Amino acid sequence: QSVLTQPPSVSAAPGQKVTISCSGSSSNIGNNYVSWYQQLPGAAPKLLIYDNNDRPSGIPDRFSGSKSGTSATLGITGLQTGDEADYYCGTWDSSLSAVVFGGGTKLTVL
Amino acid sequence: QVGLVESGGGVVQPGRSLRLSCSASGFTFRSYAMHWVRQAPGKGLEWVAIMSYDGSKEHYADSVKGRFTISRDNSKNMLYLQMHSLRPEDTALYYCAKDDGSSYFNWFDPWGQGTLVTVSS
Repeated sequence: QSVLTQPPSVSAAPGQKVTISCSGSSSNIGNNYVSWYQQLPGAAPKLLIYDNNDRPSGIPDRFSGSKSGTSATLGITGLQTGDEADYYCGTWDSSLSAVVFGGGTKLTVL
Repeated sequence: QVGLVESGGGVVQPGRSLRLSCSASGFTFRSYAMHWVRQAPGKGLEWVAIMSYDGSKEHYADSVKGRFTISRDNSKNMLYLQMHSLRPEDTALYYCAKDDGSSYFNWFDPWGQGTLVTVSS
Protein backbone atom coordinates (compact mmCIF):
# COMPACT_ATOMS: atom_id res chain seq x y z
CA GLN A 1 0.00 0.00 0.00
CA SER A 2 1.59 3.26 -1.15
CA VAL A 3 1.60 6.38 1.02
CA LEU A 4 0.47 8.43 -1.99
CA THR A 5 -2.66 7.30 -3.84
CA GLN A 6 -2.87 7.30 -7.62
CA PRO A 7 -5.48 5.71 -9.89
CA PRO A 8 -4.10 2.44 -11.29
CA SER A 9 -4.99 3.37 -14.85
CA VAL A 10 -6.35 6.11 -17.06
CA SER A 11 -7.08 6.19 -20.75
CA ALA A 12 -8.02 8.65 -23.44
CA ALA A 13 -7.96 9.03 -27.21
CA PRO A 14 -5.11 10.61 -29.17
CA GLY A 15 -5.31 14.39 -29.08
CA GLN A 16 -7.39 14.43 -25.94
CA LYS A 17 -6.46 15.52 -22.42
CA VAL A 18 -6.00 13.39 -19.32
CA THR A 19 -5.32 14.13 -15.67
CA ILE A 20 -3.68 11.87 -13.11
CA SER A 21 -4.30 12.54 -9.44
CA CYS A 22 -1.98 11.96 -6.50
CA SER A 23 -3.48 12.13 -3.03
CA GLY A 24 -1.53 12.35 0.19
CA SER A 25 -1.58 14.05 3.57
CA SER A 26 -0.26 17.05 5.43
CA SER A 27 2.98 15.22 6.24
CA ASN A 28 3.85 14.75 2.59
CA ILE A 29 2.10 16.60 -0.25
CA GLY A 30 0.57 19.16 2.08
CA ASN A 31 3.93 20.56 3.13
CA ASN A 32 6.43 19.46 0.51
CA TYR A 33 7.01 19.81 -3.21
CA VAL A 34 5.76 17.15 -5.59
CA SER A 35 7.56 15.73 -8.60
CA TRP A 36 6.27 13.52 -11.41
CA TYR A 37 8.06 10.82 -13.40
CA GLN A 38 7.33 9.06 -16.66
CA GLN A 39 8.44 5.47 -17.15
CA LEU A 40 8.17 4.21 -20.69
CA PRO A 41 8.05 0.43 -21.16
CA GLY A 42 11.42 -1.14 -20.44
CA ALA A 43 13.05 2.19 -19.57
CA ALA A 44 14.23 4.00 -16.47
CA PRO A 45 11.97 6.69 -15.01
CA LYS A 46 12.37 10.24 -16.32
CA LEU A 47 11.59 13.51 -14.56
CA LEU A 48 8.53 15.28 -15.98
CA ILE A 49 7.58 17.86 -13.36
CA TYR A 50 9.39 19.20 -10.28
CA ASP A 51 8.46 21.65 -7.53
CA ASN A 52 4.75 20.94 -8.15
CA ASN A 53 4.51 22.64 -11.54
CA ASP A 54 7.91 23.28 -13.14
CA ARG A 55 9.06 21.48 -16.26
CA PRO A 56 12.69 20.55 -16.92
CA SER A 57 14.13 21.71 -20.20
CA GLY A 58 13.13 19.40 -23.00
CA ILE A 59 9.75 18.45 -21.52
CA PRO A 60 6.98 19.79 -23.78
CA ASP A 61 4.37 22.14 -22.36
CA ARG A 62 1.73 19.47 -23.01
CA PHE A 63 2.74 18.23 -19.56
CA SER A 64 1.70 20.30 -16.55
CA GLY A 65 1.52 19.91 -12.79
CA SER A 66 -0.51 21.48 -10.03
CA LYS A 67 -1.01 21.10 -6.30
CA SER A 68 -3.84 21.99 -3.98
CA GLY A 69 -3.77 21.13 -0.30
CA THR A 70 -2.84 17.48 0.06
CA SER A 71 -3.37 16.51 -3.59
CA ALA A 72 -1.40 16.98 -6.77
CA THR A 73 -2.37 16.54 -10.39
CA LEU A 74 -0.47 15.79 -13.59
CA GLY A 75 -2.11 16.98 -16.78
CA ILE A 76 -1.27 15.84 -20.27
CA THR A 77 -2.84 17.50 -23.31
CA GLY A 78 -2.66 16.58 -26.97
CA LEU A 79 -2.16 12.92 -26.13
CA GLN A 80 0.15 10.90 -28.36
CA THR A 81 0.65 7.17 -28.55
CA GLY A 82 4.21 7.79 -27.36
CA ASP A 83 2.80 9.04 -24.05
CA GLU A 84 1.73 5.50 -23.14
CA ALA A 85 3.70 4.86 -19.98
CA ASP A 86 3.52 4.53 -16.22
CA TYR A 87 3.43 7.81 -14.31
CA TYR A 88 4.52 8.25 -10.69
CA CYS A 89 4.24 11.10 -8.22
CA GLY A 90 6.77 11.51 -5.43
CA THR A 91 7.53 13.75 -2.49
CA TRP A 92 9.20 13.85 0.93
CA ASP A 93 7.21 12.69 3.94
CA SER A 94 8.23 14.70 6.98
CA SER A 95 6.73 12.23 9.47
CA LEU A 96 8.41 9.19 7.95
CA SER A 97 11.64 11.06 7.05
CA ALA A 98 11.45 9.25 3.75
CA VAL A 99 10.73 9.80 0.11
CA VAL A 100 7.33 8.40 -0.84
CA PHE A 101 5.88 7.50 -4.22
CA GLY A 102 2.42 6.89 -5.52
CA GLY A 103 1.63 3.41 -6.73
CA GLY A 104 1.84 4.52 -10.35
CA THR A 105 -0.75 5.12 -13.05
CA LYS A 106 -0.72 3.34 -16.38
CA LEU A 107 -1.74 5.64 -19.21
CA THR A 108 -3.30 4.05 -22.27
CA VAL A 109 -3.81 6.15 -25.38
CA LEU A 110 -6.63 4.40 -27.19
CA GLN B 1 26.18 14.99 -20.12
CA VAL B 2 25.14 13.57 -16.78
CA GLY B 3 25.56 9.80 -16.50
CA LEU B 4 24.85 7.22 -13.82
CA VAL B 5 25.88 3.59 -14.28
CA GLU B 6 24.94 0.95 -11.72
CA SER B 7 26.72 -2.35 -11.26
CA GLY B 8 27.02 -5.20 -8.80
CA GLY B 9 23.65 -6.86 -9.21
CA GLY B 10 23.21 -10.60 -9.55
CA VAL B 11 21.63 -13.69 -8.07
CA VAL B 12 22.19 -14.17 -4.34
CA GLN B 13 20.83 -16.58 -1.76
CA PRO B 14 18.55 -15.38 1.04
CA GLY B 15 20.48 -14.17 4.04
CA ARG B 16 23.58 -13.29 2.02
CA SER B 17 25.08 -9.89 1.23
CA LEU B 18 25.68 -7.86 -1.90
CA ARG B 19 27.17 -4.45 -2.66
CA LEU B 20 25.87 -2.27 -5.47
CA SER B 21 27.89 0.53 -7.03
CA CYS B 22 26.92 3.59 -9.04
CA SER B 23 29.48 5.47 -11.11
CA ALA B 24 28.62 9.12 -11.73
CA SER B 25 29.90 11.41 -14.46
CA GLY B 26 29.15 14.73 -16.09
CA PHE B 27 28.39 16.72 -12.94
CA THR B 28 30.00 17.79 -9.68
CA PHE B 29 29.16 14.66 -7.74
CA ARG B 30 30.24 16.04 -4.36
CA SER B 31 27.61 18.79 -4.58
CA TYR B 32 24.47 16.62 -4.78
CA ALA B 33 22.56 14.22 -2.59
CA MET B 34 22.15 10.78 -4.13
CA HIS B 35 19.51 8.06 -3.87
CA TRP B 36 18.82 4.40 -4.41
CA VAL B 37 15.35 3.51 -5.67
CA ARG B 38 14.16 0.01 -6.50
CA GLN B 39 11.43 -1.55 -8.57
CA ALA B 40 10.31 -5.14 -8.06
CA PRO B 41 9.34 -7.00 -11.25
CA GLY B 42 6.01 -5.67 -12.50
CA LYS B 43 5.63 -3.34 -9.51
CA GLY B 44 5.95 0.35 -8.78
CA LEU B 45 8.85 2.46 -7.59
CA GLU B 46 10.07 2.11 -4.00
CA TRP B 47 12.55 4.58 -2.57
CA VAL B 48 15.38 2.87 -0.65
CA ALA B 49 17.84 5.42 0.70
CA ILE B 50 19.31 8.91 0.42
CA MET B 51 22.73 10.26 1.31
CA SER B 52 23.51 13.97 1.54
CA TYR B 53 26.12 15.57 -0.70
CA ASP B 54 28.84 15.31 1.93
CA GLY B 55 27.84 12.00 3.46
CA SER B 56 26.85 13.58 6.76
CA LYS B 57 23.17 12.64 6.59
CA GLU B 58 21.29 9.55 5.42
CA HIS B 59 17.80 8.10 5.62
CA TYR B 60 16.32 4.74 4.76
CA ALA B 61 12.99 3.18 3.94
CA ASP B 62 11.63 1.17 6.86
CA SER B 63 11.76 -1.97 4.71
CA VAL B 64 15.58 -1.86 4.54
CA LYS B 65 16.53 -0.02 7.74
CA GLY B 66 19.18 -1.91 9.68
CA ARG B 67 20.02 -4.17 6.72
CA PHE B 68 21.14 -1.76 3.99
CA THR B 69 23.79 0.97 4.18
CA ILE B 70 24.26 3.76 1.66
CA SER B 71 27.68 5.34 1.27
CA ARG B 72 29.64 7.46 -1.16
CA ASP B 73 33.20 8.26 -2.16
CA ASN B 74 33.29 11.80 -3.49
CA SER B 75 36.92 11.42 -4.57
CA LYS B 76 35.88 8.64 -6.94
CA ASN B 77 32.38 9.90 -7.91
CA MET B 78 30.91 6.66 -6.60
CA LEU B 79 27.75 5.78 -4.70
CA TYR B 80 27.29 2.43 -2.97
CA LEU B 81 24.57 0.34 -1.42
CA GLN B 82 25.70 -2.41 0.95
CA MET B 83 22.90 -4.94 1.39
CA HIS B 84 22.91 -7.54 4.18
CA SER B 85 20.44 -10.24 5.22
CA LEU B 86 18.85 -10.20 1.81
CA ARG B 87 15.29 -11.47 1.47
CA PRO B 88 13.31 -12.67 -1.55
CA GLU B 89 11.25 -9.47 -1.33
CA ASP B 90 14.43 -7.46 -2.01
CA THR B 91 14.40 -8.81 -5.56
CA ALA B 92 14.22 -5.75 -7.78
CA LEU B 93 15.89 -3.51 -10.32
CA TYR B 94 17.93 -1.06 -8.27
CA TYR B 95 18.30 2.46 -9.68
CA CYS B 96 20.80 5.09 -8.66
CA ALA B 97 19.38 8.62 -8.96
CA LYS B 98 20.79 12.10 -8.54
CA ASP B 99 18.94 14.60 -6.38
CA ASP B 100 18.74 17.81 -8.36
CA GLY B 101 18.08 20.70 -6.02
CA SER B 102 19.30 22.71 -3.08
CA SER B 103 17.44 21.00 -0.22
CA TYR B 104 18.01 17.54 1.26
CA PHE B 105 15.42 15.96 -1.02
CA ASN B 106 14.20 17.77 -4.12
CA TRP B 107 13.58 15.50 -7.08
CA PHE B 108 15.29 12.68 -8.96
CA ASP B 109 17.11 13.68 -12.12
CA PRO B 110 18.53 11.76 -13.81
CA TRP B 111 18.20 8.05 -13.13
CA GLY B 112 20.60 5.30 -14.09
CA GLN B 113 19.51 2.25 -16.08
CA GLY B 114 19.47 0.01 -13.02
CA THR B 115 21.10 -3.20 -11.87
CA LEU B 116 19.03 -6.31 -11.19
CA VAL B 117 19.21 -8.07 -7.85
CA THR B 118 17.57 -11.47 -7.53
CA VAL B 119 17.35 -13.09 -4.11
CA SER B 120 16.62 -16.76 -4.50
CA SER B 121 17.83 -20.10 -3.26
